[in-house]
Amino acid sequence: EAQVTQNPRYLITVTGKKLTVTCSQNMNHEYMSWYRQDPGLGLRQIYYSMNVEVTDKGDVPEGYKVSRKEKRNFPLILESPSPNQTSLYFCASSKGGTGRYEQYFGPGTRLTVT
Amino acid sequence: AQSVTQLDSQVPVFEEAPVELRCNYSSSVSVYLFWYVQYPNQGLQLLLKYLSGSTLVESINGFEAEFNKSQTSFHLRKPSVHISDTAEYFCAVSDKTGANNLFFGTGTRLTVIP
Repeated sequence: EAQVTQNPRYLITVTGKKLTVTCSQNMNHEYMSWYRQDPGLGLRQIYYSMNVEVTDKGDVPEGYKVSRKEKRNFPLILESPSPNQTSLYFCASSKGGTGRYEQYFGPGTRLTVT
Repeated sequence: AQSVTQLDSQVPVFEEAPVELRCNYSSSVSVYLFWYVQYPNQGLQLLLKYLSGSTLVESINGFEAEFNKSQTSFHLRKPSVHISDTAEYFCAVSDKTGANNLFFGTGTRLTVIP
């Protein structure tokens, strides 16, 4: 089954404790992206990757890091989480790097930073 | 840069009644237009998209949207809603000339009342 998986689905952590949210897709997609969803703000892009070893900032990259060492994986790293990073996070992938391709979303990771 | 406006944050409607969810966008370049749907506790799924050609696009579950270039709108409509249509709906745009970065509206929560 074609899918985007994220782990963990739920995470409660404390300020400053480094964490990683994993994202994996099995569709051989080139493009991958991370979004955060906050009430009243919709989804905002954090980082994206056009292919292996190619990443770039989205609209809200502060406080986040990413890496793309393999085509299928695109982990999101919070080196020192803060309460304002409490949010619902989605990973997405698509076949190509141009805007005409549908993006496939993972189920989401709900992060709470206390 | 692109931006998307969904003026209605919540739309309650009775079952079998028609519904229209409004979406307006602004962009200095040509765009692709999308509607994504998010059912409770799930990720986003593509509902329909406009890439080119006919300005009226349809989904498999009875929704349709019409691209209106002069009004920069892409409103979503359904002539008769079902309980199962209860979800949050996001309008999104991507730049035809740039990377596959989606810009989302803030979402409209459609609640179908029995």
